Amino acid sequence: EVQLVQSGAEVKKPGESLKISCKGSGYSFTSYWIGWVRQMPGKGLEWMGIIYPGDSDTKYSPSFQGQVTISADKSTSTASLQWSSLKASDTAMYYCARQEGGSTYLDYWGQGTLVTVSS
Amino acid sequence: SYVLTQPPSVSVAPGQAARITCGGNNIGSRPVHWYQQKPGQAPVVVVNDDSVRPSGIPERFSGSNSGNTATLTISRVEAGDEADYYCQVWDRSSDQRVFGGGTKLTVL
Repeated sequence: EVQLVQSGAEVKKPGESLKISCKGSGYSFTSYWIGWVRQMPGKGLEWMGIIYPGDSDTKYSPSFQGQVTISADKSTSTASLQWSSLKASDTAMYYCARQEGGSTYLDYWGQGTLVTVSS
Repeated sequence: SYVLTQPPSVSVAPGQAARITCGGNNIGSRPVHWYQQKPGQAPVVVVNDDSVRPSGIPERFSGSNSGNTATLTISRVEAGDEADYYCQVWDRSSDQRVFGGGTKLTVL
């Protein structure tokens, strides 16, 4: 069974760093793109970027380029999303999702990680 | 960047058909995917590649795509279909995935 399990909720202060994770299982982790999606409170889905764990090829949405770093660790089948300096506006739910192999849709999603940034 | 436009809300009575549109420049030339998101849950794909229904999705969900508009149709709407619906495409020219703004489906 394909599963993406994300790390737990985080409460951080502005300026702090953070790395959240997404562990894949039940499939060949290195053979599928993993995307990250932001959902701010009460708002819609926003595409952040995507990584191919097989070779770490990464593509960022222009809105998030330079604001976050997406990475993947093949040895642990884990993709990560990190911030070096959080802002209050980073408060949101973050989802990872697998892109289906032969298309461009997201077929399996993690449960989401809620990040709260508040002083 | 490529923009997808959805109506913010659609309302329909139980048993009727709901149609949710997704507008984009020449969207008919690219595959469109649709996701359903219920409160407190992660999104779930209900139609991929314009009109393909994933395993486990009721036949009441169907999709079409032509010209500048893609449409998700939910026939014989049930109370359990009440959710937010998002369209998504891959913009080849920018190599970016893009979501529409989302449509809240209300079952009256």
